[in-house]
Formats: sequence, structure tokens, C-alpha cells
Amino acid sequence: QVQLVQSGSELKKPGASVKVSCKASGYNFHSYAMNWVRQAPGQGLEWMGWINTNTGYPTYAQGFTGRFVFSLDTSVTTAYLQINSLKAEDTAVYYCARDRVIDYWGQGTLVTVSS
Amino acid sequence: DVQLTQSPSSLSASVGDRVTITCQASQDINNDLNWHQQKPGKAPQLLIYAASNRETGVPSRFSGRGSGTQFTFTISSLQPEDIATYYCQHYDNVLRTFGQGTRLDIK
Repeated sequence: QVQLVQSGSELKKPGASVKVSCKASGYNFHSYAMNWVRQAPGQGLEWMGWINTNTGYPTYAQGFTGRFVFSLDTSVTTAYLQINSLKAEDTAVYYCARDRVIDYWGQGTLVTVSS
Repeated sequence: DVQLTQSPSSLSASVGDRVTITCQASQDINNDLNWHQQKPGKAPQLLIYAASNRETGVPSRFSGRGSGTQFTFTISSLQPEDIATYYCQHYDNVLRTFGQGTRLDIK
């Protein structure tokens, strides 16, 4: 069965970086794009962008350019989200989600940014 | 870019009630619209894809309709386990967009 398993919660200081992983299994990794979605505390879902799992080419939504980086390691069918120069307002749960349709979701990774 | 407007933003209903949520798109999106359910503290889950198709295993009390710019999501008989926030979501070849969500609770 399709599974997206994300890395565990992170506590970071402002200015640091964090890298969240999303391990995919149960399907052909190269056949489906991978999206990243942010959910700030008490807020709705915000689409951050997606990465083409064939070419590695990322597409970033407005507001997620510059400090946010999507990457892949296809040898271990894993997608990554890196956030640089963390700010308090980056505190959120981050989800990976499969395909342009968004048919499967990871369990979410809580990133807390606090001094 | 396509904007999605959901209404209402929240609603309370009784067990057994028929509940309907609407999602309006800022431009014609054909039937490229999904509905996701997010229970408290959990990841979202796809319920309806392409406006009206139930995902495998989704109970028949959940349904979706619409095309173009107007879409509806209906729970025919509300159950206690349906307490959640519901989101519409549009997709095309480049972008995805979420509605702001509708929080549903039991009266």
C-alpha cells in the first residue's frame, strides 16, 4: 500500500536550518510528483509547491521562494524539504503529499522555531 | 491563479443531519476539484476526487457535485466520527490551491 512516512518533530532556533524527509513506498516513486503543504497552528492548509520526481525540478508557490528548498534522493525514494534562516513564523506542521491530485498524505512533521 | 472560496467557514449540526459545504472557484476549473477531510490532530485524507468520485473505502454518505466554478460537498447523514475540517482543493498541471476550510462540529 502507498505510504509516505515523514521524519520526526524538530525544535530549532531562529536562523537555523531544518530538513524534513518524506520516505515513499508502495508505488513507483518516479510516477508521481511530490507536494509540500504547510499548516500553521490553528490555520488551514497552504500549498508550498511540488517537485518533479523524474527531473528533480521544483516549483515553488508564491511566498515560498528563497528560503525553501525541495530535493530528492531517488535511491531511497525520499523527498526532502529544507527551510533555511528559520523564523518564528515558520512554526507549523509540514506535510508531504503525493501527486497533483494530492491523493496520499504523510503524517506531518511539526517544526517549532523558538529561542 | 485560481482562488477557492468555501462556505460556511464553520457549522454545527446534529447527528443525522444533512450537511452541505460549498466551494466557489474564481474561474472555470472544469471538475479539477477534490475534497479532503482533516480530523483534529491528524493528517488530511482525500475523500472525493474530480468533483464527484468517492475515494476507495469512503462511506457512501459523503458525496460531491459540481463543475466549472460551483461545487458542493454533502454528508447525507452526519455521524459523530465526521467531526473534522473539510477542505476543497484545485489542481492543474502546475499549481494546487486549497480553500480556507470548513470546520464541522456536532450541535
